[in-house]
Amino acid sequence: QQQVKQSPQSLIVQKGGISIINCAYENTAFDYFPWYQQFPGKGPALLIAIRPDVSEKKEGRFTISFNKSAKQFSLHIMDSQPGDSATYFCAASMAPAGANNLFFGTGTRLTVIP
Amino acid sequence: EAGVVQSPRYKIIEKKQPVAFWCNPISGHNTLYWYRQNLGQGPELLIRYENEEAVDDSQLPKDRFSAERLKGVDSTLKIQPAELGDSAVYLCASSPRGARGYTFGSGTRLTVV
Repeated sequence: QQQVKQSPQSLIVQKGGISIINCAYENTAFDYFPWYQQFPGKGPALLIAIRPDVSEKKEGRFTISFNKSAKQFSLHIMDSQPGDSATYFCAASMAPAGANNLFFGTGTRLTVIP
Repeated sequence: EAGVVQSPRYKIIEKKQPVAFWCNPISGHNTLYWYRQNLGQGPELLIRYENEEAVDDSQLPKDRFSAERLKGVDSTLKIQPAELGDSAVYLCASSPRGARGYTFGSGTRLTVV
């Protein structure tokens, strides 16, 4: 059973445009929601993360929007650049006693066209 | 600071053969994870270590997979015998104790033929 559902599977955006990737979860025990960026041949790299006590977090061109009541969160990439072309994964974890195992979405392959 | 180092980067083996992957975590990181990433999918946890203790191995197929983390530093993941369905990228990650985000290595891409 997929704990975190992610869409779309792929996304093509023009340079300078906004990329939006959506995720949904069911388990209300999740309390940490990171986004990872993965380039071909590399491991996932932590991009930005949010906790459920805030509705939005912004770091540079990357923003997470979080809707606790809808159990949804999304990544917005403003002014998308060709260098942003990568696969993006949302994830979620819960940490009783430091368990912190990450449950990943299925990924979104983003292509930014120059 | 060196990142999480994994070797080999690529491995091609015939089915029923054994294979081992090695991981050197970031210095000082107590927690070590092994994840498996199938093609076009997100990573899935196999096992988590706190120092040298495997505290969560519920997703590790124990009939053919084994892992160890001697002295609480480097870790080895082994498959014996390998099956065609084991073809995937095996990722190692580490974090300081209690940290929520962790650092992944570049992974070992295993192809079983």
